[in-house]
Amino acid sequence: EPEVTQTPSHQVTQMGQEVILRCVPISNHLYFYWYRQILGQKVEFLVSFYNNEISEKSEIFDDQFSVERPDGSNFTLKIRSTKLEDSAMYFCASTSTAGDTDTQYFGPGTRLTVL
Amino acid sequence: AQSVSQHNHHVILSEAASLELGCNYSYGGTVNLFWYVQYPGQHLQLLLKYFSGDPLVKGIKGFEAEFIKSKFSFNLRKPSVQWSDTAEYFCAVNANNAGNMLTFGGGTRLMVKP
Repeated sequence: EPEVTQTPSHQVTQMGQEVILRCVPISNHLYFYWYRQILGQKVEFLVSFYNNEISEKSEIFDDQFSVERPDGSNFTLKIRSTKLEDSAMYFCASTSTAGDTDTQYFGPGTRLTVL
Repeated sequence: AQSVSQHNHHVILSEAASLELGCNYSYGGTVNLFWYVQYPGQHLQLLLKYFSGDPLVKGIKGFEAEFIKSKFSFNLRKPSVQWSDTAEYFCAVNANNAGNMLTFGGGTRLMVKP
C-alpha cells in the first residue's frame, strides 16, 4: 500500500537556523498538507497546497514558514529562522482529489527539536 | 471556529473489555468526521470516516463510530479490545466550509492490559 514518507525522522537544530522538512506524498495525490503537534498538545493544521500554490493556511503559518514542491515528488516545509517554540512533531499528509471529502493520509512525522 | 473535544485523555482497559471513546465537535454546519489511530512509533492511520448516509460507520479492526447530529458527537466503539489496540486515538473534523483542513481533538491514549 502506498504511503507518505518523511525525512528526516528527527532533526535537531540551533535556534535561528533554517530547517527544511521533506515529504514524499503518495504519487497520484494532488493536495498536500502540513500539520504540527507540540508535545502534549493537539495536532494543528499549518497549511494546504494544491496546484503549486498555498490554498489555505492557519495563523501559525507566518512569514517564517514556507512550502514548496520543488519537483514532481517532494513537498517541503521550510522554517527560516527556528525558535524554541517551533519544537514539535511535523506531519505531512496528502489526499487524492481536490474535494474536501477525501481522506488525508499522513506520514510518520519529523520530530524537530530546537535548542 | 470549529473545535473538537475528546474528554477521555487516558483510558486503561483489560483485554475483552468494551471500549467507547467520546468525541464532540462544535460546528453547526455540515461536517466530515474521522477517527485516526497512532500505534506506538507509527504514523496516523485512518480507522474510519463519516461523510454522509448511515450514521453508524464501521472501520478497520472491528471499530465502529456513530454520528449523532443532535449531540454533535462521533463516539468510537469496539465491543472487545485486544492488547494490540494499545495506541492513541484522534477524532478529527472537517467542516465543509473550511476547505480541507482537519481540526483534531486532543487524543485519547488507550492502554489495554493483557
